[in-house]
Amino acid sequence: DTAVSQTPKYLVTQMGNDKSIKCEQNLGHDTMYWYKQDSKKFLKIMFSYNNKELIINETVPNRFSPKSPDKAHLNLHINSLELGDSAVYFCASSQDVTGPEQYFGPGTRLTVT
Amino acid sequence: GESVGLHLPTLSVQEGDNSIINCAYSNSASDYFIWYKQESGKGPQFIIDIRSNMDKRQGQRVTVLLNKTVKHLSLQIAATQPGDSAVYFCAENVDAGGTSYGKLTFGQGTILTVHP
Repeated sequence: DTAVSQTPKYLVTQMGNDKSIKCEQNLGHDTMYWYKQDSKKFLKIMFSYNNKELIINETVPNRFSPKSPDKAHLNLHINSLELGDSAVYFCASSQDVTGPEQYFGPGTRLTVT
Repeated sequence: GESVGLHLPTLSVQEGDNSIINCAYSNSASDYFIWYKQESGKGPQFIIDIRSNMDKRQGQRVTVLLNKTVKHLSLQIAATQPGDSAVYFCAENVDAGGTSYGKLTFGQGTILTVHP
């Protein structure tokens, strides 16, 4: 009965590789988000989708490409991984596009070596 | 421990004490504020929220105070328990005529440690 789930929980990979992180929510929410949390715990929004449509893109490098096959899923694909991409990535969802109350997944710790 | 090298504000309290965590926000147009709790290895968890037309809101063992004059937000936790140990974030949402699309801006976080 997990509300927002992410896979994998840990991801260790080498520079230059391409990887994906998957997110699913079973809350029936319309809006989903990706956040990046750095080593100093700073949490910053990257993208948001509402009903499969991109609505926020916070000047993230175009190596990052979100994809939403349906409103319950928002995946994050990262090309040509760099050391600076190492962080914890959180998926979140909210009831609708205006809903500030967001529910977060458990996070994916990405380590690029 | 987890806090080494983070240089976040820290608050250490004894079990049973009341805790007050402070947050300064930047945007006077923010219309909605939320406190999140993040335990080690987990995602942020919603605690309590407050709209900009209020100055106080109470939940179970928690109270949020909003002072718009000085753009300050605080979270008070009554009878703090070891399970309250976590990083606490305030977040603000800006209603820019409906175009903010629920975009939360998070503060830097405060580490709360509760000693038994």
